[in-house]
Amino acid sequence: DQQVKQNSPSLSVQEGRISILNCDYTNSMFDYFLWYKKYPAEGPTFLISISSIKDKNEDGRFTVFLNKSAKHLSLHIVPSQPGDSAVYFCATLFQGAQKLVFGQGTRLTINP
Amino acid sequence: NAGVTQTPKFQVLKTGQSMTLQCAQDMNHEYMSWYRQDPGMGLRLIHYSVGAGITDQGEVPNGYNVSRSTTEDFPLRLLSAAPSQTSVYFCASSYQGNQPQHFGDGTRLSIL
Repeated sequence: DQQVKQNSPSLSVQEGRISILNCDYTNSMFDYFLWYKKYPAEGPTFLISISSIKDKNEDGRFTVFLNKSAKHLSLHIVPSQPGDSAVYFCATLFQGAQKLVFGQGTRLTINP
Repeated sequence: NAGVTQTPKFQVLKTGQSMTLQCAQDMNHEYMSWYRQDPGMGLRLIHYSVGAGITDQGEVPNGYNVSRSTTEDFPLRLLSAAPSQTSVYFCASSYQGNQPQHFGDGTRLSIL
């Protein structure tokens, strides 16, 4: 049973526009949420995170929103740049369990 | 600063062979983990360690062994390789398990 779901396998966005990547989770015990970015032939790199006590966290062009009642997480990238083309994974954990649970990933393509 | 180093980068095995995937980190991280990435499945936790001498199972531990004799190294052993273990394997580390992890660049393993 997939506890963390990214229902869009791929997303195509024009350069300069906003990219919105979505993630849903099933377990209300998750209390820490992360986004990772992955280029081909490389390992995932940490992008941004949010604790369940917040509903928004910003870092430059990247903003993560958390809607606990809907068990929904989203990553906004604005403006999108060609270098943002990658696979994005959301991940969650119980801070006491120390086990990351990943979604399936969304391949983002930024078109010039 | 090398970060997380995985060797080898590629490996082809025959069914029934054994091998060890190596992982080393030079950041003095206590927490280390192994994941496998399969198409449409995201990354799934195999085993993890919260410090030297301590290991525990993740989501998909069957067919794999680990040990943690030093802080720096966390090898993953396949005892008798099976085609279902064909995957890309990532090692990761962090100071603690509830913090963003640094990933290696992966080992692509094919079992024939």
